[in-house]
Amino acid sequence: KAGVTQTPRYLIKTRGQQVTLSCSPISGHRSVSWYQQTPGQGLQFLFEYFSETQRNKGNFPGRFSGRQFSNSRSEMNVSTLELGDSALYLCASRRTGTGYNEKLFFGSGTQLSVL
Amino acid sequence: TQLLEQSPQFLSIQEGENLTVYCNSSSVFSSLQWYRQEPGEGPVLLVTVVTGGEVKKLKRLTFQFGDARKDSSLHITAAQPGDTGLYLCAGASAAGNKLTFGGGTRVLVKP
Repeated sequence: KAGVTQTPRYLIKTRGQQVTLSCSPISGHRSVSWYQQTPGQGLQFLFEYFSETQRNKGNFPGRFSGRQFSNSRSEMNVSTLELGDSALYLCASRRTGTGYNEKLFFGSGTQLSVL
Repeated sequence: TQLLEQSPQFLSIQEGENLTVYCNSSSVFSSLQWYRQEPGEGPVLLVTVVTGGEVKKLKRLTFQFGDARKDSSLHITAAQPGDTGLYLCAGASAAGNKLTFGGGTRVLVKP
């Protein structure tokens, strides 16, 4: 059974550009969450999608957006990139999305560098 | 806002020594998860503790959930270089719909 797949693994962008990251969850998983990880702030929750609907949202500006497709694959978009957006972006999936006692599976992340 | 404080932030020990990592909060969590993350990879779930006072063992790792479900600890006995990594605790809200991560403890076990 394939794990959570994130593409691309590495990305270099310049300030002002926009970027789209992709996440394919484990087959059968309908919940996809996105996290930003930085050395200073640690792992911070961006948003969660379940059955194509955003169910929860963290405290990030509107430049950060996401969506989920009918096959549960998810994308997140960051517009007007800032230097502070440089981070490892992690995607995680879980099967039913009914409570966090359910096991969460993470992908290897996309390392975004904004120059 | 629920916050989780992990301590220490960094731990460097020799192979064979014991270590303890702490995860503390002023908030009550419905459950507490521990993850280990290695460089270039995403976090991998080690254990979930649900009941106050619960103790779980995973080989040389012992996890404890505080009686009031506000804190947790991870103890590693006779650490090995393979235990090196970033250890993260994460608390689930009472509604179970939100996961809050601690800042992480970076553990280095030297051979």
